[in-house]
Amino acid sequence: AQKVTQAQTEISVVEKEDVTLDCVYETRDTTYYLFWYKQPPSGELVFLIRRNSFDEQNEISGRYSWNFQKSTSSFNFTITASQVVDSAVYFCALSERETSGSRLTFGEGTQLTVNP
Amino acid sequence: DGGITQSPKYLFRKEGQNVTLSCEQNLNHDAMYWYRQDPGQGLRLIYYSQIVNDFQKGDIAEGYSVSREKKESFPLTVTSAQKNPTAFYLCASSMGDTYTEAFFGQGTRLTVV
Repeated sequence: AQKVTQAQTEISVVEKEDVTLDCVYETRDTTYYLFWYKQPPSGELVFLIRRNSFDEQNEISGRYSWNFQKSTSSFNFTITASQVVDSAVYFCALSERETSGSRLTFGEGTQLTVNP
Repeated sequence: DGGITQSPKYLFRKEGQNVTLSCEQNLNHDAMYWYRQDPGQGLRLIYYSQIVNDFQKGDIAEGYSVSREKKESFPLTVTSAQKNPTAFYLCASSMGDTYTEAFFGQGTRLTVV
């Protein structure tokens, strides 16, 4: 069965520090997608990125970057020069071919606090 | 504005009462989902629907029921059979194609006293 593990429950950094959020996944499927979502205090989950299992290229979007390594089943998320507005809970999620539609398996989330 | 609307934002109910949470979307998405979030935990899937008049149980469907009579609407009923209903409930929708990202509503925080 699929599983997503985010071992870091809480991370606290000072503004402008870089921070990496870890995500490790388990799946028996060869075709799958990985996602990152941000949940600010308002509660709504905001989509950040989707990555398919055949594309191991790292991706950068502004201060955000993602490192996907199939060899270690990891999909880590780095925020460069963190800001207070980055404070939120971040979820990693997995979607497999065997499941229907966009049914997602979520990790337990990492609470990131960026202090001024 | 296109999006997903959940109402109400906060809901209080007495133990033993059924309660229905509303979820409406105007994104023309085929698929809709209900997730439950408990403190310090990830989201767990309750029910999902890929087309009108059809839905499937997720990982924690016991004590919940849904309907999908319209494409835009996917209400969730928390029944008295649900042993621990106090939680944050999130509704989502997606195009329905495999692997497309889901868009979420702002959630309903249900407290049963």
